[in-house]
Amino acid sequence: AQSVTQPDIHITVSEGASLELRCNYSYGATPYLFWYVQSPGQGLQLLLKYFSGDTLVQGIKGFEAEFKRSQSSFNLRKPSVHWSDAAEYFCAVGAEVLTGGGNKLTFGTGTQLKVEL
Amino acid sequence: GAVVSQHPSRVICKSGTSVKIECRSLDFQATTMFWYRQFPKKSLMLMATSNEGSKATYEQGVEKDKFLINHASLTLSTLTVTSAHPEDSSFYICSAGQTVNTEAFFGQGTRLTVV
Repeated sequence: AQSVTQPDIHITVSEGASLELRCNYSYGATPYLFWYVQSPGQGLQLLLKYFSGDTLVQGIKGFEAEFKRSQSSFNLRKPSVHWSDAAEYFCAVGAEVLTGGGNKLTFGTGTQLKVEL
Repeated sequence: GAVVSQHPSRVICKSGTSVKIECRSLDFQATTMFWYRQFPKKSLMLMATSNEGSKATYEQGVEKDKFLINHASLTLSTLTVTSAHPEDSSFYICSAGQTVNTEAFFGQGTRLTVV
């Protein structure tokens, strides 16, 4: 069974500082990996995804993530954080479905990002 | 494109009543829909997977008689919480997938409060 570990429950950074959110996964095959962001009381917004190909993935809002198979990691990075980036961030690994579309996700426990002005 | 609409966004119901939540794919045909549940300040847990015209596949520990899922068409899936109790209060969110092993798209979620 797949699993996702986000070791940091809370992270606080200053506005303008760089950010890295850690994500480690366990999955028996080539993983489909995702990062989502959730603001309080809101749904999920997809930041980026990795299915195959280039291991450095660019996403929206200036985020990027790097897939490292040897470390089973998919860390999220941003070079300069904005106050509006404060939110909950979820890493997820997707399992293949035998029929139909999409894939079912196993989420990490999330990292709450606080941005200090 | 790839818009998934979930309705209602918020619902308050009395204990013992049933509540239906709709998940619609607006601009694509969703062969598969997924239902997740998120407890306050917790992660999201997959409840069930449904394919159009088939019975839903429930994850271990999810009561299928309590959480009824119907995927009657390629654009609509419904989750009915039957005989709701306060412990069923949660954020329920659906996602819809079209093609094998591509991403599924999420709805906005439904905040259910049972009083």
